[in-house]
Amino acid sequence: KQEVTQIPAALSVPEGENLVLNCSFTDSAIYNLQWFRQDPGKGLTSLLLIQSSQREQTSGRLNASLDKSSGRSTLYIAASQPGDSATYLCAVYQAGTALIFGKGTTLSVSS
Amino acid sequence: EAGVAQSPRYKIIEKRQSVAFWCNPISGHATLYWYQQILGQGPKLLIQFQNNGVVDDSQLPKDRFSAERLKGVDSTLKIQPAKLEDSAVYLCASSLRPTGEVNNEQFFGPGTRLTVL
Repeated sequence: KQEVTQIPAALSVPEGENLVLNCSFTDSAIYNLQWFRQDPGKGLTSLLLIQSSQREQTSGRLNASLDKSSGRSTLYIAASQPGDSATYLCAVYQAGTALIFGKGTTLSVSS
Repeated sequence: EAGVAQSPRYKIIEKRQSVAFWCNPISGHATLYWYQQILGQGPKLLIQFQNNGVVDDSQLPKDRFSAERLKGVDSTLKIQPAKLEDSAVYLCASSLRPTGEVNNEQFFGPGTRLTVL
């Protein structure tokens, strides 16, 4: 059974810092991996989707990497801003199942 | 392109009452999903539809939860009777292709926050 783990559960950083969020999964037989952002009480906003054949995706200050063989993905946020404060969720796509999510990392960026 | 629409955005009910949520997926998306997200957890799939047929409802508490997708477009999720532990955000998502296929990226609606008192 696939399990997705996100470390750390919470992270506080001052504005301007570069940071890395980690996601690990137990079964490497995945199609895609997707990173989402969730603001309090809101739905999910897709940040980056990495297909299994890719190793990374970039969007603005965000860079996500995928290493299927080791069951790991990282989300790198450059030059963090207070507006980046949110919960970041990692989810994997597998055949025969719906998205399987981690519990998320709650990020707080102070000005 | 319009996104996934959900209503209501918020609902507060007493335990043992019933409640219904509505979802309108992105036009042309054949696959529709309902997820439950309890505070502090990641979303968990409740039910998945392919057009108007159920693909996976293995985690749907069928004694109190029901869902339908008439005509393969809109969907409703109902809880009757509600329990305290049903307090959660209910998220609807849709994808062009079914789970496990290439280009099956899921797009999420804003969610409905349910509070059961």
